[in-house]
Amino acid sequence: ETGVTQTPRHLVMGMTNKKSLKCEQHLGHNAMYWYKQSAKKPLELMFVYNFKEQTENNSVPSRFSPECPNSSHLFLHLHTLQPEDSALYLCASSQDQETSEAFFGQGTRLTVV
Amino acid sequence: GQQVMQIPQYQHVQEGEDFTTYCNSSTTLSNIQWYKQRPGGHPVFLIQLVKSGEVKKQKRLTFQFGEAKKNSSLHITATQTTDVGTYFCAGSPNSGYALNFGKGTSLLVTP
Repeated sequence: ETGVTQTPRHLVMGMTNKKSLKCEQHLGHNAMYWYKQSAKKPLELMFVYNFKEQTENNSVPSRFSPECPNSSHLFLHLHTLQPEDSALYLCASSQDQETSEAFFGQGTRLTVV
Repeated sequence: GQQVMQIPQYQHVQEGEDFTTYCNSSTTLSNIQWYKQRPGGHPVFLIQLVKSGEVKKQKRLTFQFGEAKKNSSLHITATQTTDVGTYFCAGSPNSGYALNFGKGTSLLVTP
């Protein structure tokens, strides 16, 4: 148990569906992240939030929409995804954005059909 | 933008052999971190290096940070089957961006 909890653990969705991934951290960290991990491009940084403000968006398509309502929760809203979006989506948190270790959740295994 | 390159991509060793993975950045890093991900698991933090030329050891694992703070290595002495997994390096540049991960080195150890 890392203190970072992701739900659901597995998700299968159609290309016309709308779903959300949830991440919660109980570590009192200020920075939270979404990463995408697929066989072809391991651990791609998608979004960074620092003190609830988005500080990085690495050219992620608009069909992925993050939301950070408070420093403990992070969501990733999904709509009209493509099969190539199937991957493991990992949430992580750290004390600050720059220099401290990242604690990862167990991930959501997403399959788009 | 900053890129972190890791080699080799895969390594298959016999139990008891040594293993090394190398990490190189296109820019100077403020720090470098190493993570291990077991098959089916999530990345777990191993160590952070901050100082130029720094060397840290954790039992059979030795981590080095280059003098120019652009490269790093992880060396495992006498590998065991429990060392199986993917080892990632991750760094952030001095300008304060979030961690960028290398593509990882997948280690397979056969008894």
